[in-house]
Amino acid sequence: DSGVTQTPKHLITATGQRVTLRCSPRSGDLSVYWYQQSLDQGLQFLIQYYNGEERAKGNILERFSAQQFPDLHSELNLSSLELGDSALYFCASSGEGNTEAFFGQGTRLTVV
Amino acid sequence: GIQVEQSPPDLILQEGANSTLRCNFSDSVNNLQWFHQNPWGQLINLFYIPSGTKQNGRLSATTVATERYSLLYISSSQTTDSGVYFCAVEQPGGSYIPTFGRGTSLIVHP
Repeated sequence: DSGVTQTPKHLITATGQRVTLRCSPRSGDLSVYWYQQSLDQGLQFLIQYYNGEERAKGNILERFSAQQFPDLHSELNLSSLELGDSALYFCASSGEGNTEAFFGQGTRLTVV
Repeated sequence: GIQVEQSPPDLILQEGANSTLRCNFSDSVNNLQWFHQNPWGQLINLFYIPSGTKQNGRLSATTVATERYSLLYISSSQTTDSGVYFCAVEQPGGSYIPTFGRGTSLIVHP
């Protein structure tokens, strides 16, 4: 158990819909990262938050947004979903000045 | 950005065999991690190894930062070692963002 909790584990939704994925980092970790893993794209970095503030952006679509709350949990919002958004979405966390990242079990999103 | 290349892309072994997986990176890195993604999709931390050598049971890893590569050794492989092995590196500059290679897919047959 990495200590990073993601919910839900599985999500099936229709095109055009909006979903929210949730992540609770390891106790004490201030950094949260979101990654997308598609079959043919590997693990793509989406966005990073540090102590509530956005720190870095990767290949995140405009239809996607995220935030980190004062209790340090994070949510990734995916809207106007397309079939191509079907993927495994991972959250990871790391501590202060330490970039060893620990990953949650992922949310498997299927858009039908 | 930094390029991370892993080889081989695919590997098939018989149980009991040894193997070496390689990770090359195109620039200096602050940190490097190895992960195992099991068949259920879970990413498991194996090593946090910016330099030097570490061992954990049948697995060991060596990173030679000056030559920009890392190696993961798996000895006496077991079917439970099957999955995808990723290395991820952190670029200098304080971004603290792990950048992943494409992985090595390992299948261990009984």
